[in-house]
Amino acid sequence: DTGVSQDPRHKITKRGQNVTFRCDPISEHNRLYWYRQTLGQGPEFLTYFQNEAQLEKSRLLSDRFSAERPKGSFSTLEIQRTEQGDSAMYLCASSLAHMAYEQYFGPGTRLTVT
Amino acid sequence: SQQGEEDPQALSIQEGENATMNCSYKTSINNLQWYRQNSGRGLVHLILIRSNEREKHSGRLRVTLDTSKKSSSLLITASRAADTASYFCATDVGGGSNYKLTFGKGTLLTVNP
Repeated sequence: DTGVSQDPRHKITKRGQNVTFRCDPISEHNRLYWYRQTLGQGPEFLTYFQNEAQLEKSRLLSDRFSAERPKGSFSTLEIQRTEQGDSAMYLCASSLAHMAYEQYFGPGTRLTVT
Repeated sequence: SQQGEEDPQALSIQEGENATMNCSYKTSINNLQWYRQNSGRGLVHLILIRSNEREKHSGRLRVTLDTSKKSSSLLITASRAADTASYFCATDVGGGSNYKLTFGKGTLLTVNP
């Protein structure tokens, strides 16, 4: 399967713990995006990378959140000191730079903070 | 904040009937896309319509776009139980910000067998 993959699919953690999610984009896509989706809402843009450079971060991305794409391939999203309000689906998407609006989404990681 | 607003929020129909969902948005756009999301899963791209297009078809899907009213509709004909999902519209404003998709809250479609 050459689609976008995310790991883990589900994560339950206690408040205050750190969590890290991984996203593997479609191999030829140089852009990678992270979105957050809370219950009953559509996805909201968090950040994106072109190759290994993080080019934009939404104000939704507090300083407890950090994302990396060290070699321009897979990306990780880390949340430090999780709070209950961080409970959401975290979606990753990828695209080609010249067709950035045509994004392919992964299955998401559902985070539950207890 | 979310640019698109889907209407209705929920729709329940019988298999074989047509389903129509609407999306309204606030600012000028470059493209409008519709996505489907099965419960607890990722988004699947359905169809894209550009701002200079008025109608587009793909299989059982028909999308219209009215830029003067800043609205779009998605019609699913001859619905099937497998069409049960949430449907979202997403817009981009083009240019250097064409990557930033803005989604509505979605319409939850239930197709009863």
